[in-house]
Amino acid sequence: NAGVTQTPKFQVLKTGQSMTLQCAQDMNHEYMSWYRQDPGMGLRLIHYSVGAGITDQGEVPNGYNVSRSTTEDFPLRLLSAAPSQTSVYFCASSSATSGSYEQYFGPGTRLTVT
Amino acid sequence: RKEVEQDPGPFNVPEGATVAFNCTYSNSASQSFFWYRQDCRKEPKLLMSVYSSGNEDGRFTAQLNRASQYISLLIRDSKLSDSATYLCVVKWSGTYKYIFGTGTRLKVLA
Repeated sequence: NAGVTQTPKFQVLKTGQSMTLQCAQDMNHEYMSWYRQDPGMGLRLIHYSVGAGITDQGEVPNGYNVSRSTTEDFPLRLLSAAPSQTSVYFCASSSATSGSYEQYFGPGTRLTVT
Repeated sequence: RKEVEQDPGPFNVPEGATVAFNCTYSNSASQSFFWYRQDCRKEPKLLMSVYSSGNEDGRFTAQLNRASQYISLLIRDSKLSDSATYLCVVKWSGTYKYIFGTGTRLKVLA
């Protein structure tokens, strides 16, 4: 049981490049989300999904796309990287089935855009 | 007013001390409450959920005060390994929206 996994751990992009951050969970959680964390700020929600085929925008969605074709996977796509997207990105999953709503996080991807 | 507010600290305490953090939230429709621990450059890890009646897990005690809209975390007999940032998280009722505080830094000193 790996929990929530993310790849890559580190990435450096040039301005204008695109890439996909991968996230997978093996806990059969229906809810998955992407956050970014910047110094001095709390985690901010980028996009989230309440199940396969259903996604919605969070607080800071601009410049990012998501899709959820399976319960397990929730990739985050950067369309045209900008220096303002330099951040640490965390994927998280949780389940409402148990009623606890506890979120579990992946180890993060540290992205630098030059 | 921020939706979830925490004192950023740092709280510098000696080993063995008792330390308490508070977190206030603005949305009275908040449903679920959590404390997470985050070590430098690592992912947040769930420390404990906070229940209406209060709950304890070893040296850690969490309390919820809905009337005053705050939650608290008490750490007894602090260990060096407790040094970390503690994040308060609130989930709104009827949504999957989780709001994170910016965290309180704790340093336990030998």
